[in-house]
Amino acid sequence: EIVLTQSPATLSLSPGERATLSCRASQSIGSYLDWYQLKPGQAPRLLISTASNRATGIPARFSGSGSGTDFTLTISSLEPEDFAVYYCQHRSNWPWTFGQGTKVEIK
Amino acid sequence: EVQLVESGGGLVQPGGSLRLSCAVSGFSFSSYWMSWVRQAPGKGLEWVANIKQDGSEIYSVDSVKGRFTVSRDNAKNSLYLQMNSLRVEDTAVYYCARGSTGVWGKGTTVTVSS
Repeated sequence: EIVLTQSPATLSLSPGERATLSCRASQSIGSYLDWYQLKPGQAPRLLISTASNRATGIPARFSGSGSGTDFTLTISSLEPEDFAVYYCQHRSNWPWTFGQGTKVEIK
Repeated sequence: EVQLVESGGGLVQPGGSLRLSCAVSGFSFSSYWMSWVRQAPGKGLEWVANIKQDGSEIYSVDSVKGRFTVSRDNAKNSLYLQMNSLRVEDTAVYYCARGSTGVWGKGTTVTVSS
């Protein structure tokens, strides 16, 4: 099973600041890495597909990069609605797994 | 409008059974892999199972193998998750998803408790 390790666990930032979230895979997963945003009481929202492709309707301030084992989600300038928990998830082989999440909180 | 609506959640005792359903509309159900994903209270996400368009391939996570069965009825545009021998640790919100396309239902809550 591929283990995804996200860092940091918590990111304390102010609106307007840049957020950089990391996801590291225990073995190479190519570009089969997606990013989700999760807010309480809501279904997960797909942000980035296949490492770097913004999902439909996702603002341009969200971007993804990486391949192999190291991936990054960047939020260029945090909006109030961006404070949430972010998960990376691979679909390279079964079982598909998620990282443990990074909470982006208001500083 | 694309919609996935889960139902069938509830409170069940350990060892009991539940059948979750996911009713789909707004797209060609038979053209997509479908999935179940869950989130336990205060915990992260777990991708539970995938089923191919025609049901010929099914993948499930080890923690539910032998207890949960995923199936689909393309004529009824519906996805199912039969959950047997339920454990306290199966308590979660269960989401139906259109594979990895980013289309999810709102979820149904399963609580396993005595």
